[in-house]
Amino acid sequence: SAVISQKPSRDICQRGTSLTIQCQVDSQVTMMFWYRQQPGQSLTLIATANQGSEATYESGFVIDKFPISRPNLTFSTLTVSNMSPEDSSIYLCSVFSLNYGYTFGSGTRLTVV
Amino acid sequence: QQQVKQSPQSLIVQKGGISIINCAYENTAFDYFPWYQQFPGKGPALLIAIRPDVSEKKEGRFTISFNKSAKQFSLHIMDSQPGDSATYFCAASIDNYGQNFVFGPGTRLSVLP
Repeated sequence: SAVISQKPSRDICQRGTSLTIQCQVDSQVTMMFWYRQQPGQSLTLIATANQGSEATYESGFVIDKFPISRPNLTFSTLTVSNMSPEDSSIYLCSVFSLNYGYTFGSGTRLTVV
Repeated sequence: QQQVKQSPQSLIVQKGGISIINCAYENTAFDYFPWYQQFPGKGPALLIAIRPDVSEKKEGRFTISFNKSAKQFSLHIMDSQPGDSATYFCAASIDNYGQNFVFGPGTRLSVLP
């Protein structure tokens, strides 16, 4: 399966600031996704990162709050903007392949204080 | 209709015992049913998956049982080991391309030595 490197692995941020999370995949993939996992909870899809075009956001998530870039088939970033304590969560990058299903990065554990 | 229900929320099993986690769905369009295993501080990892054309799939100590008429599927972990202690998520997808992918709420499994 694809190997995903996600940075940073964790961060503590001040409210009102922004954090950009990077996701690097070791092979070209068509489908890349960003998920949020709140402590002790399941995974919620934020958006599908589309290469060369705007991301497709799920209900409840907007581009102004979670801008996403996908400049090529191996890299994507998710920015959490104007953070509040409610944004404290684990953010996961994921890719999908027909052979291996979803592969997830190790996640970024974000704490907003 | 897009929900996947999962039970129990938590499970404690003695070493060597059988762990059973159950999931149920409503949407008959789902056609791919994976199970993910997540250790603390890590992203979920694909454990085993099944499609509705078979009723059972076994890989080592892990077995998925699938009941299409009841719209239920379950994960059985035989000879459970302390190393199996993790959170398990069932999921369901409508198509082969990773979209419309829904996760269950998760089951925290603890295997006692």
